Amino acid sequence: ETGVTQTPRHLVMGMTNKKSLKCEQHLGHNAMYWYKQSAKKPLELMFVYNFKEQTENNSVPSRFSPECPNSSHLFLHLHTLQPEDSALYLCASSQASSTDTQYFGPGTRLTVL
Amino acid sequence: QKEVEQDPGPLSVPEGAIVSLNCTYSNSAFQYFMWYRQYSRKGPELLMYTYSSGNKEDGRFTAQVDKSSKYISLFIRDSQPSDSATYLCATYQGAQKLVFGQGTRLTINP
Repeated sequence: ETGVTQTPRHLVMGMTNKKSLKCEQHLGHNAMYWYKQSAKKPLELMFVYNFKEQTENNSVPSRFSPECPNSSHLFLHLHTLQPEDSALYLCASSQASSTDTQYFGPGTRLTVL
Repeated sequence: QKEVEQDPGPLSVPEGAIVSLNCTYSNSAFQYFMWYRQYSRKGPELLMYTYSSGNKEDGRFTAQVDKSSKYISLFIRDSQPSDSATYLCATYQGAQKLVFGQGTRLTINP
């Protein structure tokens, strides 16, 4: 595997379900990110982790719960989501400097019924 | 006011045409500007990265920043059908905090 991988690529869930998105980076980076890309809206930063520590939460509702067990893996735990949470969720990684290039995974397409 | 504004298009041009994609930004303190390309069912990939004002060229692609008017542009020369994608402009709002334009969907017709 190379670059940034994400699983699953597609996910359909009901509003009462609990599911998790997984991201893994194979680039030796120490910063990881979650972004949300909704139709007709700009890509939106959700969370930033540096060296496994959360350093940014962009006012994300608590029904989204990130976890970063090590610098290579990032999870997004989902529970009691709303239909408006349907979107493409993108993971990215970079070196932990302020303006280092961020490399994106292919995303998980989430549909909440 | 959105920090980065971009016309979502769609934009459709014939193969071989010169394409101009544009964004405006609101904060004169922004210094780093990026263009990402996103193919269907893929994540964004960095295409061009510029600092402050001026031009940067890479093959058929030229990125231009005009800080006096807070305007950033991407030019594609001799456009190819493989250039068909969504192009996203972005800048750093703060350390590691990328803000994006809405993206312009571009189609190059053979």
